[in-house]
Amino acid sequence: DVKVTQSSRYLVKRTGEKVFLECVQDMDHENMFWYRQDPGLGLRLIYFSYDVKMKEKGDIPEGYSVSREKKERFSLILESASTNQTSMYLCASTGGDRESQPQHFGDGTRLSIL
Amino acid sequence: GQNIDQPTEMTATEGAIVQINCTYQTSGFNGLFWYQQHAGEAPTFLSYNVLDGLEEKGRFSSFLSRSKGYSYLLLKELQMKDSASYLCAVLDSNYQLIWGAGTKLIIKP
Repeated sequence: DVKVTQSSRYLVKRTGEKVFLECVQDMDHENMFWYRQDPGLGLRLIYFSYDVKMKEKGDIPEGYSVSREKKERFSLILESASTNQTSMYLCASTGGDRESQPQHFGDGTRLSIL
Repeated sequence: GQNIDQPTEMTATEGAIVQINCTYQTSGFNGLFWYQQHAGEAPTFLSYNVLDGLEEKGRFSSFLSRSKGYSYLLLKELQMKDSASYLCAVLDSNYQLIWGAGTKLIIKP
């Protein structure tokens, strides 16, 4: 069965800290995505990656960066955390034919920046 | 701009039928997805429509009209476990998923 694992379910950090969110998938998927989910808004794409060492900006990349050194792992980095980055962060992956393949999601990381 | 509209919240009774609507305005169309998301959990895939018409999967069905920019998710024989948020998402011309804010469905006994 498909499995996307996010390193933490809940995380509390302080303003200005550098924060790492990790995501691992065991399906040998080429495509991986990072979203944030806020009440009353749809999922918003932060960054995505179609291959190792490859990354593309999504709709809201400001304040974030990503790393994909291995196919199964996609990391989201908050360079200097701010309170407006308090949110639910969801990682997803999908196989080669991403046009019609559903995205498989991790359980999410609820991040609070104090 | 790109926009997906769906009702914020709906209430239905156990055993009944409910229809959740989704209208979209996007730059291009390459398919529409429905996901279910229970509180505090990951979204899970329900259906994918790329051609007009009705797709049925057990108690759940999804309909698409591309000319009207409209889809609905139909849930039959509602069960308490169907209480969740239902997310509509459209794949645009760049093959990016555009997400609606979700419809919270409350099932009452």
